[in-house]
Amino acid sequence: ETGVTQTPRHLVMGMTNKKSLKCEQHLGHNAMYWYKQSAKKPLELMFVYSLEERVENNSVPSRFSPECPNSSHLFLHLHTLQPEDSALYLCASSQDRGGLTDTQYFGPGTRLTVL
Amino acid sequence: GQQLNQSPQSMFIQEGEDVSMNCTSSSIFNTWLWYKQEPGEGPVLLIALYKAGELTSNGRLTAQFGITRKDSFLNISASIPSDVGIYFCAGQLREYGNKLVFGAGTILRVKS
Repeated sequence: ETGVTQTPRHLVMGMTNKKSLKCEQHLGHNAMYWYKQSAKKPLELMFVYSLEERVENNSVPSRFSPECPNSSHLFLHLHTLQPEDSALYLCASSQDRGGLTDTQYFGPGTRLTVL
Repeated sequence: GQQLNQSPQSMFIQEGEDVSMNCTSSSIFNTWLWYKQEPGEGPVLLIALYKAGELTSNGRLTAQFGITRKDSFLNISASIPSDVGIYFCAGQLREYGNKLVFGAGTILRVKS
């Protein structure tokens, strides 16, 4: 248990559906992250929020829309996804994205399948 | 952009054997990290390295930050079945906004 929870753990959706992934951290951290993990590929950073402000958007398609209502919660809203978007979506948090010793703690991920 | 080459891609070893894996890059990094990911879980930090040449141990795990700052290795001694998982290296660079750049992972399987 790392203090970062994600729901749902598994999600199957059609290309026309709208769904949301939720992440919650209980560590008192200021920064939160969304990563995409595809098989046999490095983790890809999607978004970074620091103190509820988006500070990084790594050229992610607009069908992925993040939301950070407060420093403990992070959402990823999904709509009109493609089958190639099927992957494990990981949330992470850290105390402050500014430091090199700032450890990121990961949640267990949401396994997304797009049909 | 920055890329990390992690090898080997996978290993299938006998329980009790030592394991070695490494990451190399054409870019220099300020920090090297090693994570382990078990099935159904997110990556968990094993070892963090902050200085070139640094050698750090965590139980049966030992990792080193290469002198050139372009590589790192992780050794696991006397492997046991619970060592099974995917091991990721990650580099962090101040000039890159301290973002983590990950290797593709080494899949470790242990035969008991």
